[in-house]
Amino acid sequence: GAVVSQHPSWVICKSGTSVKIECRSLDFQATTMFWYRQFPKQSLMLMATSNEGSKATYEQGVEKDKFLINHASLTLSTLTVTSAHPEDSSFYICSARDQEFDYEQYFGPGTRLTVT
Amino acid sequence: ELKVEQNPLFLSMQEGKNYTIYCNYSTTSDRLYWYRQDPGKSLESLFVLLSNGAVKQEGRLMASLDTKARLSTLHITAAVHDLSATYFCAVDHNNDMRFGAGTRLTVKP
Repeated sequence: GAVVSQHPSWVICKSGTSVKIECRSLDFQATTMFWYRQFPKQSLMLMATSNEGSKATYEQGVEKDKFLINHASLTLSTLTVTSAHPEDSSFYICSARDQEFDYEQYFGPGTRLTVT
Repeated sequence: ELKVEQNPLFLSMQEGKNYTIYCNYSTTSDRLYWYRQDPGKSLESLFVLLSNGAVKQEGRLMASLDTKARLSTLHITAAVHDLSATYFCAVDHNNDMRFGAGTRLTVKP
């Protein structure tokens, strides 16, 4: 089956620093990738939709200047959390939509971010 | 705005019993997904339902979709402990994917 990888799987950073999370589709091309955030014992909240070669579409309430998304190729999207604060600590999950079978969406293993 | 309601939110059941999780959504959609999440892990895809009346089964889990009622169900047959996890439904409307709150299932021996 299709595989989506995320790197790093966990990261600890200090307040005020920036962290980049990579999301890769390993064996398929993804025109659209999604970034979600999940707090403990809660559901997934869509942060933004990323389309290759164009600007990401952010959900209401998500600061685009704080959560920078770049979808540089059909297999790679990155999320950069800038000037991180402890309240940004969360589980970040990306997903990728298969270009060929666009009803399928594959999820990465997630990145656990802890800001101290 | 697309809203997805899932119930129950918590479900504790005995091994061998049957139960159904419900997923209602507010806007017309023809893509309904069911996922499983284990603690500390990401989502595992269980079912993709693409049309009215669609029914899919895998092992002890069966999912169905009624687009007219805007309702999907996930039926658990003869539960076993390994099914303990959180189950999410999600609805896709115009590339906007929304998740239900999740059902935390615990199967007791």
